[in-house]
Amino acid sequence: AQRVTQPEKLLSVFKGAPVELKCNYSYSGSPELFWYVQYSRQRLQLLLRHISRESIKGFTADLNKGETSFHLKKPFAQEEDSAMYYCALSRIGGYNKLIFGAGTRLAVHP
Amino acid sequence: ETGVTQSPTHLIKTRGQQVTLRCSSQSGHNTVSWYQQALGQGPQFIFQYYREEENGRGNFPPRFSGLQFPNYSSELNVNALELDDSALYLCASSSETANTEAFFGQGTRLTVV
Repeated sequence: AQRVTQPEKLLSVFKGAPVELKCNYSYSGSPELFWYVQYSRQRLQLLLRHISRESIKGFTADLNKGETSFHLKKPFAQEEDSAMYYCALSRIGGYNKLIFGAGTRLAVHP
Repeated sequence: ETGVTQSPTHLIKTRGQQVTLRCSSQSGHNTVSWYQQALGQGPQFIFQYYREEENGRGNFPPRFSGLQFPNYSSELNVNALELDDSALYLCASSSETANTEAFFGQGTRLTVV
């Protein structure tokens, strides 16, 4: 079965602390993995994708095929990082037919 | 360049009724995907339209149907509404070119009473 699991509904940290949002997936084939973010009162938007291997707003995510994980990390959280984060997967070349996890709310406190 | 727009933003329907939701894709995009997001859940893939043809469907019953028009805008139709259809319905547009981003609309909040 194709599935994305985000085990934490809420992650609460203080400003400057490291952040790791967990994502595990189940997929038979070669998936493309994404992190989407939704800031308060804004639409869902792409944060990063594994094939780009970029750092966006200080966030990075590495695809670990052995552990079927794609955890999102940032060394020093900022208050403006507070948002809802969704991990998602799609078949490579699958025209963005996305399977989403349930999401993790990140709250960064001053 | 215009973004993805959805209409209406909110609506309330009675169980058993039918509803049509609309989505205008971003300029230059020929692929539209629809998602249902129940409260506290991530978006669930309903179906996708590519160049006016259905191009993949999630685990939704046939009373969920759609259309894509020559200008690549799209409609989602739901017949015989049930209480559990209450959700935020999201539309996303993208291009078939590899490695392009899917851009989401702001969603339509449907409440079935």
